[in-house]
Amino acid sequence: QQQVKQSPQSLIVQKGGISIINCAYENTAFDYFPWYQQFPGKGPALLIAIRPDVSEKKEGRFTISFNKSAKQFSLHIMDSQPGDSATYFCAASKGETSGSRLTFGEGTQLTVNP
Amino acid sequence: DTGVSQNPRHKITKRGQNVTFRCDPISEHNRLYWYRQTLGQGPEFLTYFQNEAQLEKSRLLSDRFSAERPKGSFSTLEIQRTEQGDSAMYLCASSYPTVGYTFGSGTRLTVV
Repeated sequence: QQQVKQSPQSLIVQKGGISIINCAYENTAFDYFPWYQQFPGKGPALLIAIRPDVSEKKEGRFTISFNKSAKQFSLHIMDSQPGDSATYFCAASKGETSGSRLTFGEGTQLTVNP
Repeated sequence: DTGVSQNPRHKITKRGQNVTFRCDPISEHNRLYWYRQTLGQGPEFLTYFQNEAQLEKSRLLSDRFSAERPKGSFSTLEIQRTEQGDSAMYLCASSYPTVGYTFGSGTRLTVV
């Protein structure tokens, strides 16, 4: 059972454009929603995370939008750069927030063309 | 201590052989996790430890898999009688409550 569904599978954006990746979850007990960035041969690295008591969180060029009623959240990358080319994963966990087991989406391969 | 360390980085083994991976977490993190990631997929949870206690195991963790974390420090993941379907990246992560995960760079296992 896929509890976190992510789309699109791949995304190509021009330098300076906005990259948008979407995730939907099923389990209403989830209360922590991080996004991870992964480069080839490396482990995932935490980018930004949100809890359901806020609808948006921004850190630099990265913004998470969260819609609790729709059980959806998305990552927006503003002014996308070639160095942002990587695989992005959304995830969710429940109970003890950031210290709990994570359920990951399938990933989005982002390519930013120069 | 700059992060989570995993060894070896790559392992090629013949089907039927046993393999063991090691993970050294960030020293002040009391939780340690193992995940498995296959090509084009997100990481899947295998098991986690709080200090030395193994608190949860996924049903993905068959009888051939065993994990230990003696003294609540480093952890090992052993796979016995490897199969080709075990080929994957095995990721270790550590965390502390209210602090997000830090993943290691993983051990890539290839079973031939």
